[in-house]
Amino acid sequence: KNQVEQSPQSLIILEGKNCTLQCNYTVSPFSNLRWYKQDTGRGPVSLTIMTFSENTKSNGRYTATLDADTKQSSLHITASQLSDSASYICVVRPSNTGNQFYFGTGTSLTVIP
Amino acid sequence: EAGVAQSPRYKIIEKRQSVAFWCNPISGHATLYWYQQILGQGPKLLIQFQNNGVVDDSQLPKDRFSAERLKGVDSTLKIQPAKLEDSAVYLCASSLALAGGYEQYFGPGTRLTVT
Repeated sequence: KNQVEQSPQSLIILEGKNCTLQCNYTVSPFSNLRWYKQDTGRGPVSLTIMTFSENTKSNGRYTATLDADTKQSSLHITASQLSDSASYICVVRPSNTGNQFYFGTGTSLTVIP
Repeated sequence: EAGVAQSPRYKIIEKRQSVAFWCNPISGHATLYWYQQILGQGPKLLIQFQNNGVVDDSQLPKDRFSAERLKGVDSTLKIQPAKLEDSAVYLCASSLALAGGYEQYFGPGTRLTVT
């Protein structure tokens, strides 16, 4: 069964600290993996996209890594800011279907001053 | 570039009533998606259009939900009659084309509360 699981479910960190969010998936065969940021009351916004051949992708203070062998991805946030408070969603697309995306349940991050 | 527009932003209805949501995708985007996001969960795909044709509606509760994209641009999602468990945020997204490499752009969503 194709699944995407994220951990932790929620996280609280101090402003300026780093954090890492995890995404484990069982989707196979695998085409690409995306990380989205969803602010409260808004739709998700793409942060990074990686294909199976990519190990890392950065977008400012956000760095995503991918290990296609272990089917794990992580999103590392450096020097967190209050505006990083949001839900972070991992989305995996298999390569054997035309249309389906598998969404994780998200990690809710709260950055406190 | 204008983003995906959705209306209304909020809606409160009583169970057994009907409700409709509207979505205007980014200009030129052929693919349009409707998702249901229950609080604390990731989005769940309800229906996907390619132009005005349905590509995937396998998770759409067809006894009460319907959607259309008549001219291949705007889309409406309707619930009739609503149940308490339909309380959720309904997200519309669009992408240039069907292939998985194309980015999905999401609208702000419509928050539905069924009482």
